[in-house]
Amino acid sequence: NAGVMQNPRHLVRRRGQEARLRCSPMKGHSHVYWYRQLPEEGLKFMVYLQKENIIDESGMPKERFSAEFPKEGPSILRIQQVVRGDSAAYFCASSPRDRDQPQHFGDGTRLSIL
Amino acid sequence: AQKITQTQPGMFVQEKEAVTLDCTYDTSDPSYGLFWYKQPSSGEMIFLIYQGSYDQQNATEGRYSLNFQKARKSANLVISASQLGDSAMYFCAMRDSPLYSGGGADGLTFGKGTHLIIQP
Repeated sequence: NAGVMQNPRHLVRRRGQEARLRCSPMKGHSHVYWYRQLPEEGLKFMVYLQKENIIDESGMPKERFSAEFPKEGPSILRIQQVVRGDSAAYFCASSPRDRDQPQHFGDGTRLSIL
Repeated sequence: AQKITQTQPGMFVQEKEAVTLDCTYDTSDPSYGLFWYKQPSSGEMIFLIYQGSYDQQNATEGRYSLNFQKARKSANLVISASQLGDSAMYFCAMRDSPLYSGGGADGLTFGKGTHLIIQP
């Protein structure tokens, strides 16, 4: 599968636990974006990364959320001390360049907080 | 003001009819991109079509075409000969420069979506 790979598809955590969401971009894509989708809403931008660099994190909550895209391996979105309000679908997208090319999305991770 | 407005929360259309999904946008950036995505009930986001602000012709991809009216700031999606499998949420999205969006995000800005249901 040459598409954007996200895992897990579904993740259940209890309040206070940590959630780690993984994203491997499409082959040849060096730009990764994370979005959050609340029920019945469109996607909201969270963060834009290139290898080893956070380019724009203006959509990230100030606390508990972090993202990385290391030189080797997938991009990780990390949510510490999860709360009920973190329940959402988290999508990763990748593109070969940051403006002119469409962003291709993974299937998303559905995070449920008990 | 919303950057992307989709005024149709839901639409019912008869199979084989053409469908137009509305999208208007707001930006001061002379260089921007407009995208349409489909989200079926299974939840994945599927890229459909892209229109650049400097493109001279309306974008087309198979049964999908984009009715781009730059002066009106509209980018409506047209689906010809609708099929049952077209039933899904459809999102319009825009990419402009953070410099023009008041320091806003560098990613796509999405509308709230239109829920399209194709009836047999």
